[in-house]
Amino acid sequence: EAGVAQSPRYKIIEKRQSVAFWCNPISGHATLYWYQQILGQGPKLLIQFQNNGVVDDSQLPKDRFSAERLKGVDSTLKIQPAKLEDSAVYLCASSSPQGGPNTGELFFGEGSRLTVL
Amino acid sequence: SQQGEEDPQALSIQEGENATMNCSYKTSINNLQWYRQNSGRGLVHLILIRSNEREKHSGRLRVTLDTSKKSSSLLITASRAADTASYFCALYGGATNKLIFGTGTLLAVQP
Repeated sequence: EAGVAQSPRYKIIEKRQSVAFWCNPISGHATLYWYQQILGQGPKLLIQFQNNGVVDDSQLPKDRFSAERLKGVDSTLKIQPAKLEDSAVYLCASSSPQGGPNTGELFFGEGSRLTVL
Repeated sequence: SQQGEEDPQALSIQEGENATMNCSYKTSINNLQWYRQNSGRGLVHLILIRSNEREKHSGRLRVTLDTSKKSSSLLITASRAADTASYFCALYGGATNKLIFGTGTLLAVQP
């Protein structure tokens, strides 16, 4: 079974530029999560999708961050314009309809590391 | 905040020794989970313990949960160099219905 795919793995940009990250979840996984992990900290949930609908985006800085999952499969997270404090690893995770945090079946991708200069 | 606080922040042991890391929290939970993160990689789920459970085992892992003290511990027995990683507790339940990760413990196992 293929895992959660993310790209790019690394990205370096100047502040005020824009960047986009892509995630393809495990096939059949209806729920998709984007987490932000700042160096030395635990991951923080930015947004959660159920199919193509948003379940929770309460911690997404909506003035600069946006995310979409148009066909209920892969997803894109965009930052525009980027700030220095956005330097972090952006992790995508997915879970099946039977899985999720209540069962522990949350599968993570390898992450996209963003450096903002 | 529902975030778990872990200690120690860093732990260095020799191969073959046991490693214990702790997680304390402040809110009610449905379950508590432990994840491992190797350097530069994603998180891997290790074990889940529900609020009505006190102890769980999985291979060399043993997790305990004390809901009266709002704390959990993860014990890795007979550690190996390959266990070198960051370990995070994650809390599920309470008011937020989200999985909230703790601050992590960086474990280094010296060969």
